[in-house]
Amino acid sequence: KQEVTQIPAALSVPEGENLVLNCSFTDSAIYNLQWFRQDPGKGLTSLLLIQSSQREQTSGRLNASLDKSSGRSTLYIAASQPGDSATYLCAALPLYSSNTGKLIFGQGTTLQVKP
Amino acid sequence: NAGVTQTPKFQVLKTGQSMTLQCAQDMNHEYMSWYRQDPGMGLRLIHYSVGAGITDQGEVPNGYNVSRSTTEDFPLRLLSAAPSQTSVYFCASSYSRQANSPLHFGNGTRLTVT
Repeated sequence: KQEVTQIPAALSVPEGENLVLNCSFTDSAIYNLQWFRQDPGKGLTSLLLIQSSQREQTSGRLNASLDKSSGRSTLYIAASQPGDSATYLCAALPLYSSNTGKLIFGQGTTLQVKP
Repeated sequence: NAGVTQTPKFQVLKTGQSMTLQCAQDMNHEYMSWYRQDPGMGLRLIHYSVGAGITDQGEVPNGYNVSRSTTEDFPLRLLSAAPSQTSVYFCASSYSRQANSPLHFGNGTRLTVT
């Protein structure tokens, strides 16, 4: 059974700092790994999706990497801004979920970027 | 673009009452799903649908029913509300279940059962 872990649960950085959020998963048999952002009281917004055959994806100041062999994904945020403050969740789509489409979510890392 | 729209945003029910959480998407997505989010439990799949007329159970389906009469709408029905169903409910959709389809979420319905 796939398990997804995000450490740390919370992170506080000063504005302008480059930072890395970590996501680990126990089973490398995945279709894709997705990173989401959740603002308080809001739904999840899809940030990046990395397919199993890919190593990384980039969108603006965000770069997500995937290393299936080590069971790790990272989300790199360059030049962080106070507007980046939110909870970031990663989710894996296991191969055994091909029928259900069920994502396995981590618990999230709550990021605070201080001005 | 409206995306995924959920109503209501907040709801308080008494134990035993029934209600329907509405979800609609305007992206012509085949795949729709309902998750609940609870502190310490993360997001758990309740029900999902791979197209109009097709629904199936997820991880925690007990106490909930769904239907998919159109591509756009995927309502979630609570048959007899229980305090254990107090949660935040999210509807989500994607073009398909396939590997290159990101999941789009609504803003959620915060439900309290007393």
